[in-house]
Amino acid sequence: DGGITQSPKYLFRKEGQNVTLSCEQNLNHDAMYWYRQDPGQGLRLIYYSQIVNDFQKGDIAEGYSVSREKKESFPLTVTSAQKNPTAFYLCASSSQTGINSPLHFGNGTRLTVT
Amino acid sequence: QQQVKQSPQSLIVQKGGISIINCAYENTAFDYFPWYQQFPGKGPALLIAIRPDVSEKKEGRFTISFNKSAKQFSLHIMDSQPGDSATYFCAADMGGGNKLTFGTGTQLKVEL
Repeated sequence: DGGITQSPKYLFRKEGQNVTLSCEQNLNHDAMYWYRQDPGQGLRLIYYSQIVNDFQKGDIAEGYSVSREKKESFPLTVTSAQKNPTAFYLCASSSQTGINSPLHFGNGTRLTVT
Repeated sequence: QQQVKQSPQSLIVQKGGISIINCAYENTAFDYFPWYQQFPGKGPALLIAIRPDVSEKKEGRFTISFNKSAKQFSLHIMDSQPGDSATYFCAADMGGGNKLTFGTGTQLKVEL
C-alpha cells in the first residue's frame, strides 16, 4: 500500500540534543511538508519541499532544519536552538500534477524533550 | 498574519444529531477551503473541500456551506455517528500552492 511512514512513533530526548525525525513516502509525490501540531494551535508549517534538493521555510522554521536528497525522503532535524521542541510532528506529501492536490499525512512522531 | 479562526474548540453531539463547525478567514486571496479529519494517534486526512465559486458542497453526510461576503465557511455533519468522533480542522489556501493555513481544530464527540 502506498503511504507515508514516520518513525519512530514516540521519541524522547534530553534538552540540548539534536534529534532527527524520519519521513519516507512511496506515493511518488513531488512535494513534501513538515507540520507541527500543538494543543489548541492547529497545524503549523515548518518546512516544505517541492522538488529534490530544494526546500523553503514555512511559518515556524526557526530551530529546525531539513534535507531533500531523495524524492522519497524528507527528514526533519530538531536542533537544540528550538526553544519548545516537545510536540507532535506530522509529515505530509502531495502530488504536484494538479493544483490544490490533497495533503497525505503520516501518523506522526510525538517528540518529548526533557 | 494570515489566520483562519475556528470554533468551537470542542463539541458534544448526540447520535443522529447535526454537528456544526465554523471557520472565518481574513485574507480574501484565499481560494480553496478544505476540511481535514483526524482520529487519535493518526495524521489528518482530507474530508471535503470547496472553492469560493459555489456556496455549498455536499458529500454524503458532510456538507460545506460557504459565505464569501462574510468570509465564513462551515462544516455540517448530518446524522452524526460515534465513528465521526475525531478532531476536525478547517484550512485555507491561495494560488494552488498547497501551503495550507489551518484552523485550531474542533474536537467532536458523538455520544450514544
